[in-house]
Amino acid sequence: GAVVSQHPSRVICKSGTSVKIECRSLDFQATTMFWYRQFPKKSLMLMATSNEGSKATYEQGVEKDKFLINHASLTLSTLTVTSAHPEDSSFYICSARDGRTPGGGEQFFGPGTRLTVL
Amino acid sequence: GENVEQHPSTLSVQEGDSAVIKCTYSDSASNYFPWYKQELGKRPQLIIDIRSNVGEKKDQRIAVTLNKTAKHFSLHITETQPEDSAVYFCAAKFGNEKLTFGTGTRLTIIP
Repeated sequence: GAVVSQHPSRVICKSGTSVKIECRSLDFQATTMFWYRQFPKKSLMLMATSNEGSKATYEQGVEKDKFLINHASLTLSTLTVTSAHPEDSSFYICSARDGRTPGGGEQFFGPGTRLTVL
Repeated sequence: GENVEQHPSTLSVQEGDSAVIKCTYSDSASNYFPWYKQELGKRPQLIIDIRSNVGEKKDQRIAVTLNKTAKHFSLHITETQPEDSAVYFCAAKFGNEKLTFGTGTRLTIIP
């Protein structure tokens, strides 16, 4: 299957700082990337959908000024958590889809980034 | 929007027995139903999926069944092994829309 990488895998930062997480599709062109947040022992909560070259679509309740998403190329999307606070601590996972697949392709997940805000 | 319910939330089975996890969905237009396995601290891994034009799909010890009329689909794992222990998520989507995930099932295989 296709490979999606995510960097960093783990980050610890002080409250008030901004953190950037990168999501890359390594062997396919991802026309659409998704960003999820997962709390311990909970399901994946979709935060936003990003399409290459256009603005991200945020889910209800997700602050777009807090979680900045950029999908500048077909292989890279970034999520920036701005002015992070302890309540932003979570496991963030991206996924990528090859939109050229008819009927909508499978989503391939990155390995996740564990963010801890002190 | 789509709503996916998953049951049970936890499941313990003896090694060698079968495990069944069930999901229901609300949007009758949904046509793609993947199942993911997630180990602690790891990414969700697709283990099997089914499209709405098929009623059943099998891959070795894993099978998925789909009942479009009742809007439910199930994951069946036979001859369970300790390495099957993980959290399993079902999901549903229509076309190029977003995936909607179930709440997850923590499966424990008892040696």
